[in-house]
Amino acid sequence: EADIYQTPRYLVIGTGKKITLECSQTMGHDKMYWYQQDPGMELHLIHYSYGVNSTEKGDLSSESTVSRIRTEHFPLTLESARPSHTSQYLCASSEGRTTDTQYFGPGTRLTVL
Amino acid sequence: KQEVTQIPAALSVPEGENLVLNCSFTDSAIYNLQWFRQDPGKGLTSLLLIQSSQREQTSGRLNASLDKSSGRSTLYIAASQPGDSATYLCAVGAGNMLTFGGGTRLMVKP
Repeated sequence: EADIYQTPRYLVIGTGKKITLECSQTMGHDKMYWYQQDPGMELHLIHYSYGVNSTEKGDLSSESTVSRIRTEHFPLTLESARPSHTSQYLCASSEGRTTDTQYFGPGTRLTVL
Repeated sequence: KQEVTQIPAALSVPEGENLVLNCSFTDSAIYNLQWFRQDPGKGLTSLLLIQSSQREQTSGRLNASLDKSSGRSTLYIAASQPGDSATYLCAVGAGNMLTFGGGTRLMVKP
């Protein structure tokens, strides 16, 4: 059982608000990831991190930003939410070797009105 | 750029049937291939991980095969149950990145 947590699980917010989606893992994994998934669509990688102070953009362009100040914590921030940001955001982590599985959190479903 | 395709997009079967889900990918330079299960509105649960040097992996009623040269993987589910109803996602790993297919939505009817 993977120990990776996301909060909030659901968020409905108005346009222009700043939001932070939290992701934390207690497995000591070096690598963490953020994926975006629209309903019924594929998952797309938007950010990843190889460790503390390391952040990279993924395949899908995103207006969000991330930070990795502590190994266990990988928050995602939207400075000014828009309706186009409405989606499900999934966080994942892996131990660090290229052959390792990724463990996923339960996701945050974001709705921007 | 890696592209992953899953067929069929949706499948409805009666309980007890054996079934096969298909996954194909365009770039055979992969490290591994994973099958995940996703329940509605939830995160992903890893089912099976096949390393690029392996041909298949088994877990309970699930068996996944990998043919890297032809860019194909199959997930075989034996004696399907209503609790197997979910979306099944195939993901190809290269480096530390996963590229996901669109998924197969499975419904197993009692």
